[in-house]
Amino acid sequence: NAGVMQNPRHLVRRRGQEARLRCSPMKGHSHVYWYRQLPEEGLKFMVYLQKENIIDESGMPKERFSAEFPKEGPSILRIQQVVRGDSAAYFCASSEGSGNTIYFGEGSWLTVV
Amino acid sequence: QKEVEQNSGPLSVPEGAIASLNCTYSDRGSQSFFWYRQYSGKSPELIMSIYSNGDKEDGRFTAQLNKASQYVSLLIRDSQPSDSATYLCAVKVNSGYALNFGKGTSLLVTP
Repeated sequence: NAGVMQNPRHLVRRRGQEARLRCSPMKGHSHVYWYRQLPEEGLKFMVYLQKENIIDESGMPKERFSAEFPKEGPSILRIQQVVRGDSAAYFCASSEGSGNTIYFGEGSWLTVV
Repeated sequence: QKEVEQNSGPLSVPEGAIASLNCTYSDRGSQSFFWYRQYSGKSPELIMSIYSNGDKEDGRFTAQLNKASQYVSLLIRDSQPSDSATYLCAVKVNSGYALNFGKGTSLLVTP
């Protein structure tokens, strides 16, 4: 049973470009979470989605960031017009239900140059 | 603001000793508590979950929860060099969806 799959694992973008990070949850999981980990910082919640719905986006920056989890395909975290401060590890996690344990993917490391 | 506090360390213990990692939280509505281990450059890996006051043991790991004191801890017995990692405490309130993480405690087990 494959775990949470994220790609790309490493992504380099120039300032002003767009970054798209993809996440496929574990089989049987319909709840997806995105977290960001800045260097020397803890994991910060960004957004929680179920299929086709954003349930909680209280941790998402108000501008440039968006997330989706379509009926078919992976969840996408999109960062427009990236800045150096967006350089971080972005972790996706999934769970079977909202009250269940969440399991993390291997992460996508974004570097903005 | 819902805070989860951990001592950043590093906590250094000799091989074979007991490592004690501590975490406090501010939200009294917190109901679920988790310990994750994270190696450098890797993803967090769930070690233990605890929901009720008291101790919960799993192999060399024991989680302890005291809701009155808003305190949760992780004990690692017979520490091994492979236990050297950052340990993240995470807390979830019943009304919320997200886990709130502490910044983690760096553990170094020396041979």
